[in-house]
Amino acid sequence: QKEVEQNSGPLSVPEGAIASLNCTYSDRVSQSFFWYRQYSGKSPELIMSIYSNGDKEDGRFTAQLNKASQYVSLLIRDSQPSDSATYLCAVNTLYNFNKFYFGSGTKLNVKP
Amino acid sequence: GAVVSQHPSWVICKSGTSVKIECRSLDFQATTMFWYRQFPKQSLMLMATSNEGSKATYEQGVEKDKFLINHASLTLSTLTVTSAHPEDSSFYICSARDTGTGRNYGYTFGSGTRLTVV
Repeated sequence: QKEVEQNSGPLSVPEGAIASLNCTYSDRVSQSFFWYRQYSGKSPELIMSIYSNGDKEDGRFTAQLNKASQYVSLLIRDSQPSDSATYLCAVNTLYNFNKFYFGSGTKLNVKP
Repeated sequence: GAVVSQHPSWVICKSGTSVKIECRSLDFQATTMFWYRQFPKQSLMLMATSNEGSKATYEQGVEKDKFLINHASLTLSTLTVTSAHPEDSSFYICSARDTGTGRNYGYTFGSGTRLTVV
């Protein structure tokens, strides 16, 4: 069983809509959660981090964490074509704080 | 914010030769850096954890004699692909985290190195 799972997509949404990306994890002692965006041919860039249950908002992005259900999600409001990319979910654990486990990523297509 | 510089951004080499990739933390010290490999349309695969002043920790299935890692200073880690073969062609990315502030920031990635072995 993979530590972090994501639907590979592609997820297609029209411009201006809300894109919802989901991630589940298997280790209940997962500590911190991160969302990265990766454009084709580029390295990942950090978008959001979340550590506590609930929502965390940053501009058009909202991360949601539910530790009881072991999922974390990313909402992108007012989606733009420039948001089209692969979104990677990453978690670390108490056992090895420095080691991140990445999901396989969800490809998002925002259509003009 | 934390900046990680990776060089070169792309390299083409002949089969059987060795290639060195550098990863530098520019505005912070990194006792630990990570090396990933990514094949086209696949996710990141952690290859090894680079530890300053000590041996690297390799993930299962990664040949330590083929992928030599040196982390001689708090700001520099290098990955050398020895006796490269076409199947080693991939996108290699390093990452590091600024732990100096005591906050759990996510890792910052270098810009990646596209290696093509011909």
